[in-house]
Amino acid sequence: DGGITQSPKYLFRKEGQNVTLSCEQNLNHDAMYWYRQDPGQGLRLIYYSQIVNDFQKGDIAEGYSVSREKKESFPLTVTSAQKNPTAFYLCASSMVGGSGANVLTFGAGSRLTVL
Amino acid sequence: GNSVTQMEGPVTLSEEAFLTINCTYTATGYPSLFWYVQYPGEGLQLLLKATKADDKGSNKGFEATYRKETTSFHLEKGSVQVSDSAVYFCALRISSGSARQLTFGSGTQLTVLP
Repeated sequence: DGGITQSPKYLFRKEGQNVTLSCEQNLNHDAMYWYRQDPGQGLRLIYYSQIVNDFQKGDIAEGYSVSREKKESFPLTVTSAQKNPTAFYLCASSMVGGSGANVLTFGAGSRLTVL
Repeated sequence: GNSVTQMEGPVTLSEEAFLTINCTYTATGYPSLFWYVQYPGEGLQLLLKATKADDKGSNKGFEATYRKETTSFHLEKGSVQVSDSAVYFCALRISSGSARQLTFGSGTQLTVLP
């Protein structure tokens, strides 16, 4: 079955450490996204990519970095510069252009806790 | 700018009750409107959508009508089930924009009691 796989599901980090969240999709989607979800808030866009080797900052990119070396993969690194990293992180993908671009497919999420 | 406002939760209903979750929006241009659902411990799934005024989206007994005159896209279901317990997100995307221009509301937690 096609879908998006995020790992790990739960992650604990000490302050000052970088951590990388994995996101892999087998939907042949060109576009991929990272969102952050905090309690009582909507999803906020961190980074997105519409094509391999290219990505753009979203609304809250500070303290995060990404890469898009393969179409299937879009890992997110939460750096020590991110002041409040404890959150639920969601990866998504979509087609680019046409009506399919309206529909995001989401992974199950990764919950990061900073100790 | 674009924004989505949802009724604040949490909402608690008994099984078979009628559900309404209000959603209003502000947008430049002509948005497409969506409802996404997030079940406990999972990512979001598209529930339904409407791409132009007066369109009605429907799925799994849920419905929402795109009302341009009131800038609303309220979610309704005639008889909720325990399995409908989840967080519901209203969202919009401007048609002329890229997929990055999807704006989400803050979500409404629904709990259905047996």
